[in-house]
Amino acid sequence: AQSVTQPDIHITVSEGASLELRCNYSYGATPYLFWYVQSPGQGLQLLLKYFSGDTLVQGIKGFEAEFKRSQSSFNLRKPSVHWSDAAEYFCAVGPDFGNEKLTFGTGTRLTIIP
Amino acid sequence: EAGVTQFPSHSVIEKGQTVTLRCDPISGHDNLYWYRRVMGKEIKFLLHFVKESKQDESGMPNNRFLAERTGGTYSTLKVQPAELEDSGVYFCASSQDLGYYGYTFGSGTRLTVV
Repeated sequence: AQSVTQPDIHITVSEGASLELRCNYSYGATPYLFWYVQSPGQGLQLLLKYFSGDTLVQGIKGFEAEFKRSQSSFNLRKPSVHWSDAAEYFCAVGPDFGNEKLTFGTGTRLTIIP
Repeated sequence: EAGVTQFPSHSVIEKGQTVTLRCDPISGHDNLYWYRRVMGKEIKFLLHFVKESKQDESGMPNNRFLAERTGGTYSTLKVQPAELEDSGVYFCASSQDLGYYGYTFGSGTRLTVV
C-alpha cells in the first residue's frame, strides 16, 4: 500500500530564510505527487504537482519541489519565506488514473518568526 | 467560478447525537470526494462519488457514517450516532474528470463531539 511520511511535525524559520519541507513516499510504480497548503481558516490549496517529465516542479507562491526517485522523496522548497507562508503543509501521493484516491502525510506546521 | 463549499464550517455536538455535513461541489463536477483528518493525523480518504453513484467507499470507517449524493449535485455526510473519535475536520473535494487535474478542496467542516 502506498504511504507518505513527513518527518517534521513542526518547523520554525525566520522570515526571509530558506525553507525545505521533507516528504518521503512509498509506492511501487511512478507516483503522482502533490503538495497542499492549509492556511488558518482556509481549505486545502494545491501548491504544485508532479506527474511526469522535469523532476523540478514550480508551483504557486514561489514554491518548488524536486522529485528524486532514488530517494523516494519529493521535498518542498522556498528560497525566502514570508510571514504569510505560516500554515500547515501536506504532501500527498496518488496512483495511476483509475483510482483517484490521494494518500496524505501527517502534515508539517510552519511557523515564521520575525 | 465558485469553489467547493462546505456547511457548516464548525459543528459541536454531544456524543450520541446526529450531525449532517454538506458539500456543494463546483458546478459541473461529476466527481466528489470526502476526506477526514482526525486530530494530528493524516488526511484520510473516505469515499468517492461519480455523479450520484458511490464509486469507492473503502475509507468509510463504519456504518454510523452515511454519505449521499442525490441528483448528482451536492452531497451530505451523516454521522449517526456520533462518537468522540469522530471529531476532526471533514474535507470535500470535486473534479470534473477522472484523474487529478482540477481536484479542488473545500475549506472543511470542523466537527467536535463532546
